[in-house]
Amino acid sequence: GAVVSQHPSRVICKSGTSVKIECRSLDFQATTMFWYRQFPKQSLMLMATSNEGSKATYEQGVEKDKFLINHASLTLSTLTVTSAHPEDSSFYICSATSLGSYGYTFGSGTRLTVV
Amino acid sequence: GQQLNQSPQSMFIQEGEDVSMNCTSSSIFNTWLWYKQDPGEGPVLLIALYKAGELTSNGRLTAQFGITRKDSFLNISASIPSDVGIYFCAGFIQGAQKLVFGQGTRLTINP
Repeated sequence: GAVVSQHPSRVICKSGTSVKIECRSLDFQATTMFWYRQFPKQSLMLMATSNEGSKATYEQGVEKDKFLINHASLTLSTLTVTSAHPEDSSFYICSATSLGSYGYTFGSGTRLTVV
Repeated sequence: GQQLNQSPQSMFIQEGEDVSMNCTSSSIFNTWLWYKQDPGEGPVLLIALYKAGELTSNGRLTAQFGITRKDSFLNISASIPSDVGIYFCAGFIQGAQKLVFGQGTRLTINP
């Protein structure tokens, strides 16, 4: 079955630094990847949608200059949290799908803690 | 925008009991999906529903896509400890190519 690998699973960083999270589709070509944010005991909130080779589409209220998304290949998308602050601490999850598919496979998530 | 109302928010049951949860929406969805999320992990797909009225099973899990395409339910029969987790419904917005998630149902099982 489709597998999505997300790395790192946990990261702690200092305020003001940037953190990059990787999302890879291991056995299929992901034409579209999605990035979600999840606060404790809450649902997944879509942050942005990225299609390979084009700019990401951000949901309303998500700062595109703070959450940089790159989808340079059909198997890799990255989310960079720039100038991180404690309020950016959260669980970030990616998912991927291929053209014409209704199947969305999720990564295992990244727990970001900004201190 | 589209929203999914999922209920109940939490359930506390005894091992062996059956579980039922549902999602409703004011909007029509083309596809309904049910996911389970364990602590510190990403959601894992349980069942996908593609046609109105469709009833699909996956082991002890059964889900149905409502006739109106605005609702879906998930049943778990004879619950076991490993069923503990958070269950999310999700609707697929075809035009926008994205999923909308319900608020989740947190299932706790007393042995």
